Amino acid sequence: AQSVTQLDSHVSVSEGTPVLLRCNYSSSYSPSLFWYVQHPNKGLQLLLKYTSAATLVKGINGFEAEFKKSETSFHLTKPSAHMSDAAEYFCVVSDSSNDYKLSFGAGTTVTVRA
Amino acid sequence: GAGVSQSPRYKVTKRGQDVALRCDPISGHVSLYWYRQALGQGPEFLTYFNYEAQQDKSGLPNDRFSAERPEGSISTLTIQRTEQRDSAMYRCASSPRGRLAGRPGTYEQYFGPGTRLTVT
Repeated sequence: AQSVTQLDSHVSVSEGTPVLLRCNYSSSYSPSLFWYVQHPNKGLQLLLKYTSAATLVKGINGFEAEFKKSETSFHLTKPSAHMSDAAEYFCVVSDSSNDYKLSFGAGTTVTVRA
Repeated sequence: GAGVSQSPRYKVTKRGQDVALRCDPISGHVSLYWYRQALGQGPEFLTYFNYEAQQDKSGLPNDRFSAERPEGSISTLTIQRTEQRDSAMYRCASSPRGRLAGRPGTYEQYFGPGTRLTVT
């Protein structure tokens, strides 16, 4: 079985400051890990994915995440927040036993202050 | 090109009525997925199709829920005798994964905008 825990339900940052969204995962098999973003009234969009290649993964819009097996973590970061980053972010895991079945965390809502 | 579309976008129904939710995947995508998202939660897996074959329906909550994809393209999720606890956002996704896919997890699931179902 696989699962993810997003450690913060809400994160508030000032524009231009770094963003850190924390995620821990549990997986019995080799995991694939993803971050999805959901803007209001829009569908879920993939930010980045880890599938056993490089542990530091770069995604769209300046986001990146680092896979740390020893810590079972996959935290999402961005050096400088923009107003357009305000959205809900989901950490997602799948494993090789049921690779099509994505398991989502509960989500982290990001607000960006001007 | 067009993304995944779902209809209706919003559906309000009375308890006990049947509802049908439609998903039109990206053209050429062979895999299709249904998820349900309760308020304040992440989406939860319901079922998965590869072409027209329903490969996994382990996430369907009970036998009031069913899904089909008869021609390997458009899919319908049907909820019979709706109950208030069925109220949620229902999301559909598709991916280009085929039957003989390689490394799992490498195919992105493209999500539609969802159908917000409210049962009164």
